[in-house]
Amino acid sequence: DAKTTQPPSMDCAEGRAANLPCNHSTISGNEYVYWYRQIHSQGPQYIIHGLKNNETNEMASLIITEDRKSSTLILPHATLRDTAVYYCIAPLLSGGYNKLIFGAGTRLAVHP
Amino acid sequence: EAQVTQNPRYLITVTGKKLTVTCSQNMNHEYMSWYRQDPGLGLRQIYYSMNVEVTDKGDVPEGYKVSRKEKRNFPLILESPSPNQTSLYFCASSLSGTGGTEAFFGQGTRLTVV
Repeated sequence: DAKTTQPPSMDCAEGRAANLPCNHSTISGNEYVYWYRQIHSQGPQYIIHGLKNNETNEMASLIITEDRKSSTLILPHATLRDTAVYYCIAPLLSGGYNKLIFGAGTRLAVHP
Repeated sequence: EAQVTQNPRYLITVTGKKLTVTCSQNMNHEYMSWYRQDPGLGLRQIYYSMNVEVTDKGDVPEGYKVSRKEKRNFPLILESPSPNQTSLYFCASSLSGTGGTEAFFGQGTRLTVV
């Protein structure tokens, strides 16, 4: 499965954009990139996913480089409620299913 | 509202006393799985199920059992709990286990085995 690398922690001022990077240099052509977040000890929450093209939804934008070796999750106007651990995941389709492997993620702290 | 429901949310039990943590989803999802989360170890998959009557081991299946008799339910069974199974447990479901589908997680069950 593709290994992802994320910075352990980041800070962001409330109202500013939070840009969370992720390296996935070993990703293969059919592997999606997913982003989830976990607030405190709640269940992980899906944010967005993409394969090749950039994606945007009501929560965030996902920018994937052309070579697909890295991506950036963008929270356009971070709020205090966005403080969470963000996981970048590139599951491998193996045995007929995608296995989500959670690393340590990036702990994002949004401050006033 | 689309959701994955786990029960109980909190449980303290004694070593060796069989327990079941229930998980139910209302989205007609085929794929369901169980994770445990421990400090410093992150989320690890215990078991997963591709559909009714189809289950398989994840990364840390020892000491756990599951069943999938109906599509919506995927209970986690601890036949003889031990203190090393003290953890935060999450159930998840997705439309399928293949690419391009998002997973929905339950709110978690915090289990303490004394």
